[in-house]
Amino acid sequence: EDKVVQSPLSLVVHEGDTVTLNCSYEVTNFRSLLWYKQEKKAPTFLFMLTSSGIEKKSGRLSSILDKKELSSILNITATQTGDSAIYLCAGFNEKLTFGTGTRLTIIP
Amino acid sequence: NAGVMQNPRHLVRRRGQEARLRCSPMKGHSHVYWYRQLPEEGLKFMVYLQKENIIDESGMPKERFSAEFPKEGPSILRIQQVVRGDSAAYFCASSPNAPSNYGYTFGSGTRLTVV
Repeated sequence: EDKVVQSPLSLVVHEGDTVTLNCSYEVTNFRSLLWYKQEKKAPTFLFMLTSSGIEKKSGRLSSILDKKELSSILNITATQTGDSAIYLCAGFNEKLTFGTGTRLTIIP
Repeated sequence: NAGVMQNPRHLVRRRGQEARLRCSPMKGHSHVYWYRQLPEEGLKFMVYLQKENIIDESGMPKERFSAEFPKEGPSILRIQQVVRGDSAAYFCASSPNAPSNYGYTFGSGTRLTVV
């Protein structure tokens, strides 16, 4: 059975801090790894990673995949209160298998 | 392009009633996926459908749950004889073809509450 594990489960930091969220996966016929941000409604797409070692960036967010270690990290620099959300990682073959998420809380 | 549309947004049912959740995929998308999110948990895959076909229903409970995606109209997730444990957010996602290289676009979800 496909499995995705995220850590930490919960993280509380002060505004301006940098955070690193972790994701490990065991997904058969793995094609890519995706990160989503979920506030109070639907998950919104952040990144899709297919190739190992290539960093993807979007503003203060960046992510990288390590296929050898079957893992990925999501970095957020200079955090803001608007970054408070649940961050979901998912392994993709023909469907998405999600981890339980990391709940990130940014304190002003 | 209206995105993935789900309705209703909120649904309250008494134990034993039926719940019908609807999902209209994005224009041009012929693949639909249903996920369930229990409180404080991640999204769990339920079923993957193409028009008139169920491709993968490995995540569907064996009883009371069914899904369809007819040739015309939205995809329907049907839960018969609901129980309190069915209370959750149900998300639908769609993609243009399978397997998509861009993940899926999610709808806003239907929050089912069983009282």
